[in-house]
Amino acid sequence: KQEVTQIPAALSVPEGENLVLNCSFTDSAIYNLQWFRQDPGKGLTSLLLIQSSQREQTSGRLNASLDKSSGRSTLYIAASQPGDSATYLCAVNNYGQNFVFGPGTRLSVLP
Amino acid sequence: KAGVTQTPRYLIKTRGQQVTLSCSPISGHRSVSWYQQTPGQGLQFLFEYFSETQRNKGNFPGRFSGRQFSNSRSEMNVSTLELGDSALYLCASSPRDYLSSYNEQFFGPGTRLTVL
Repeated sequence: KQEVTQIPAALSVPEGENLVLNCSFTDSAIYNLQWFRQDPGKGLTSLLLIQSSQREQTSGRLNASLDKSSGRSTLYIAASQPGDSATYLCAVNNYGQNFVFGPGTRLSVLP
Repeated sequence: KAGVTQTPRYLIKTRGQQVTLSCSPISGHRSVSWYQQTPGQGLQFLFEYFSETQRNKGNFPGRFSGRQFSNSRSEMNVSTLELGDSALYLCASSPRDYLSSYNEQFFGPGTRLTVL
């Protein structure tokens, strides 16, 4: 059974810092890994999708990497801004299966 | 393209009642998944429909059911509501076709259900 964990559970940083969020999964035979952000009481916004054949994806100040063999992914946020404050979730899926979500990392970027 | 829409956005019900939630996927997406999100359990998968067929099902009691129509719109129904069913219910659509491993999910804003 796939299990996903995220470290840290919460993070508070001053504006302008670069930061790394971590995601680990127990079954390395994944096909897709997706990072989302969620603002309080809202739905999830897709940030990046990494398919199993890829090692990383970039979008603006965001960079996500995937190491299937070690069961890990990292989301790197460069030059953080107060608007980046949200909960960040990672989710993985195996072929034909549903996505399994981690518990999320709650990020606060202080002005 | 319009995003995933969910109706209603907020709902208040009492124990024992039933409720139906609706989800309209992004145009062209045939896969619709439903999730329950609570502070204690996080995001939990309910079920996925693809071309009107249930493809995957999570570990929820039979009170939770769903269906998908020919236009890919989906509904989920919860019968005999319990206090613990209070949650944010999220719908996600995907352009997956089950012919490849590609699967990317796009979420709607959710329906906040409160059971009194």
